[in-house]
Amino acid sequence: NAGVTQTPKFQVLKTGQSMTLQCAQDMNHEYMSWYRQDPGMGLRLIHYSVGAGITDQGEVPNGYNVSRSTTEDFPLRLLSAAPSQTSVYFCASRLAVSYNEQFFGPGTRLTVL
Amino acid sequence: SQELEQSPQSLIVQEGKNLTINCTSSKTLYGLYWYKQKYGEGLIFLMMLQKGGEEKSHEKITAKLDEKKQQSSLHITASQPSHAGIYLCGADRDQTGANNLFFGTGTRLTVIP
Repeated sequence: NAGVTQTPKFQVLKTGQSMTLQCAQDMNHEYMSWYRQDPGMGLRLIHYSVGAGITDQGEVPNGYNVSRSTTEDFPLRLLSAAPSQTSVYFCASRLAVSYNEQFFGPGTRLTVL
Repeated sequence: SQELEQSPQSLIVQEGKNLTINCTSSKTLYGLYWYKQKYGEGLIFLMMLQKGGEEKSHEKITAKLDEKKQQSSLHITASQPSHAGIYLCGADRDQTGANNLFFGTGTRLTVIP
């Protein structure tokens, strides 16, 4: 199994540009989540999904959109990039059963100029 | 809302020394997860604790959850340079233990050879 994969690994955008961060998992996990990691602030939840066709907002959803058309894929869209969105983004997935490990992708380092 | 506080924020130790990282919650912890993150990489799962008083060990790392289930500690014995990284505690948002996790701000560990 590849686990949770993310592309790209690095990205530089100009303010106002849009882009999609890709995330895929091959473990048939129901739960998928997007986090951002900023210095001194830990991981903060952006959006999450409990299954195909179902998404919901996390703690910091503004400026981001998600969709979940398949169990495997959970892309994160930045509609109009802002410097405040400079961060490291992690995708995660988990089985919808009690008390089990949440698996993380390798991360995407995004810089918005 | 529930928060996780980690202490210390950063730690520098000489190789071979023991160290402890703490994770404290204002409310009862349903599931407590320890992850390690190497610089610039994704999160690696270490251990999960669920029951009050529970203790788990893996190689030279021991994690404990106190009886009241509001504090966890991570203890490393005879630290090595390979232990360097950021240690994050995460917790389940509810009793189902089957939702996404929320995280503390992390502890940055440096081990000097």
